[in-house]
Amino acid sequence: QAQLVESGGGVVQPGRSLRLSCAASGFSFSTYAMHWVRQAPGKGLEWVSFIWYDGSNKYYADSLKGRFTISRDNSRNTLYLQMNSLRADDTAVYYCARDSAGTGGGYFDYWGQGTLVIVSS
Amino acid sequence: QSALTQPASVSGSPGQSITISCTGTSSDVESYNRVSWYQQHPGKAPKLMIYEVIKRPSGVSNRFSGSKSGNTASLTISGLQAEDEADYYCCSYAGSSTWVFGGGTKLTVL
Repeated sequence: QAQLVESGGGVVQPGRSLRLSCAASGFSFSTYAMHWVRQAPGKGLEWVSFIWYDGSNKYYADSLKGRFTISRDNSRNTLYLQMNSLRADDTAVYYCARDSAGTGGGYFDYWGQGTLVIVSS
Repeated sequence: QSALTQPASVSGSPGQSITISCTGTSSDVESYNRVSWYQQHPGKAPKLMIYEVIKRPSGVSNRFSGSKSGNTASLTISGLQAEDEADYYCCSYAGSSTWVFGGGTKLTVL
């Protein structure tokens, strides 16, 4: 059974950086594309970023304006999200989710439990 | 990348059927058969309920069904049960390897 476990969340001051991790197990991580999805407190889901199975292609929501970077280490079965220049409106639970295919099948079939990021001074 | 439009809330009594709509544009819902639906209970991670408009993952009750017409997708839940009370989100592929979610619908089982 696929399992995803996020870590790295916490309280960070505006303008600072944070790196989230997502450890994968129970499936062949290197053959699946992965996503980050976030959810602000009391709000809906927002797609953040997507990376191909081999890390060769990466995509982002327009709203991020180049502040976030997705990456993966297939040797460690781990997905990352580097978040820079954090703002208050980045406060959210960040979920990693597995795509149904290696280059973007179109849906998210497994989700982690999320890690909470709070941007506050 | 504007969010898809869903009703904020719907409700129904046990045993009844309800339908949640999800309206997008010609750039997302209408153009791709890559609409999926997710169920989220409070404090929990989302769970895939429907993918590729009409398909149901293994283990999901056949009381859940999906459809699409033009730029509007729909999720129908028949034979409502108490455990169906949750938030539901639609999601569509929006081209250029981007995705867009709906604002979410809170389902109340009366």
